[in-house]
Amino acid sequence: EAGVVQSPRYKIIEKKQPVAFWCNPISGHNTLYWYLQNLGQGPELLIRYENEEAVDDSQLPKDRFSAERLKGVDSTLKIQPAELGDSAVYLCASSLDLTGASSTGELFFGEGSRLTVL
Amino acid sequence: EDQVTQSPEALRLQEGESSSLNCSYTVSGLRGLFWYRQDPGKGPEFLFTLYSAGEEKEKERLKATLTKKESFLHITAPKPEDSATYLCAVQLPYKLSFGAGTTVTVRA
Repeated sequence: EAGVVQSPRYKIIEKKQPVAFWCNPISGHNTLYWYLQNLGQGPELLIRYENEEAVDDSQLPKDRFSAERLKGVDSTLKIQPAELGDSAVYLCASSLDLTGASSTGELFFGEGSRLTVL
Repeated sequence: EDQVTQSPEALRLQEGESSSLNCSYTVSGLRGLFWYRQDPGKGPEFLFTLYSAGEEKEKERLKATLTKKESFLHITAPKPEDSATYLCAVQLPYKLSFGAGTTVTVRA
């Protein structure tokens, strides 16, 4: 079974430039998450989707960040314009059931997209 | 406020030297506590879920335990391939809240 796929793996941009990250979750997983992970820290939730609906975006900086999940499958996270402090790893995860975790409590993570803003 | 604190931040072990990692939490009504392993440049990989105080789970050289205030991840006779960052997380409504992790380095 294919895992969560993210691209690009690495992105280097100059500040004020836009950037987009793409995520393809595990087939059949209706819940999709975008997490932000700073160096030496644990992942922090940015946004959660149930199918195509963003049901928790309270931690998403909406002035510069946007996300979409068309048709309830793939998702894109965009930053425009990027700032120096946005340098981090952006992790996508998916899970099977509506409570935010499968029966084993597992979120399946992709390998992440590492952003460097110069 | 719900909080997860892991200690120590880093742990250096000799191969075969057993040790424990701590995860303390303050959560109203714990729904589940999770342990993940994260290798450099990779996403977190699920290890265990614990749901109630007294519960224990094992996988190879790892054993996770849970009390009402904290969880321990015991590493018995570690090998270099056990080197990784170990993250714990508590299940809140519809999301996991992670600690900062403990980075374990096992030297041969």
